[in-house]
Amino acid sequence: KAGVTQTPRYLIKTRGQQVTLSCSPISGHRSVSWYQQTPGQGLQFLFEYFSETQRNKGNFPGRFSGRQFSNSRSEMNVSTLELGDSALYLCASSLDYGHYNEKLFFGSGTQLSVL
Amino acid sequence: AQKVTQAQTEISVVEKEDVTLDCVYETRDTTYYLFWYKQPPSGELVFLIRRNSFDEQNEISGRYSWNFQKSTSSFNFTITASQVVDSAVYFCALSESHPRGSSTLGRLYFGRGTQLTVWP
Repeated sequence: KAGVTQTPRYLIKTRGQQVTLSCSPISGHRSVSWYQQTPGQGLQFLFEYFSETQRNKGNFPGRFSGRQFSNSRSEMNVSTLELGDSALYLCASSLDYGHYNEKLFFGSGTQLSVL
Repeated sequence: AQKVTQAQTEISVVEKEDVTLDCVYETRDTTYYLFWYKQPPSGELVFLIRRNSFDEQNEISGRYSWNFQKSTSSFNFTITASQVVDSAVYFCALSESHPRGSSTLGRLYFGRGTQLTVWP
């Protein structure tokens, strides 16, 4: 069974540009979450999607947005990039059927560098 | 306020030594879930264990063991006879009960991680 797939693996952008990151969850998983990882702030929750609806949102400005498609694939978008947006962006998926043993499975991430 | 604290930023040991990674959490929920993840240099977070708040049984899996103590809000992780391949950053994480009362995970609160280096 394929794991969580994130594309692209690396991305270089300049300030002011926008970027779209993609995440394909494990087949059958319905929930997708996004996390930002930086040396200064650690791992921070961005948002969570389930059945194409944003269910939960972290403390990030409106420049960070996301969406989920009917096949559970998800994208996140960052507009007007700032230097501080340089980070590893991790996507995670879970079954989300209320299972007793629910767990999150993570992809390898997209390393975004803003110059 | 930090919900998950991993006080050890870096730990270095020599192969075959035992090592314990500490994790202290804070929550007002009576139902919550605790996790340990491993992050090798490739970047992917690898799931190691999940423990539910109502299940205080300690667990052993091969060289790994976990000690969950609600009385001290701690969920420590021990690697016995460490190996070079254990070198990675280890994260402890907390998920509080979903607002709708289901057992879904919602968001995870991660600690800052402990960089473990095992020398040959």
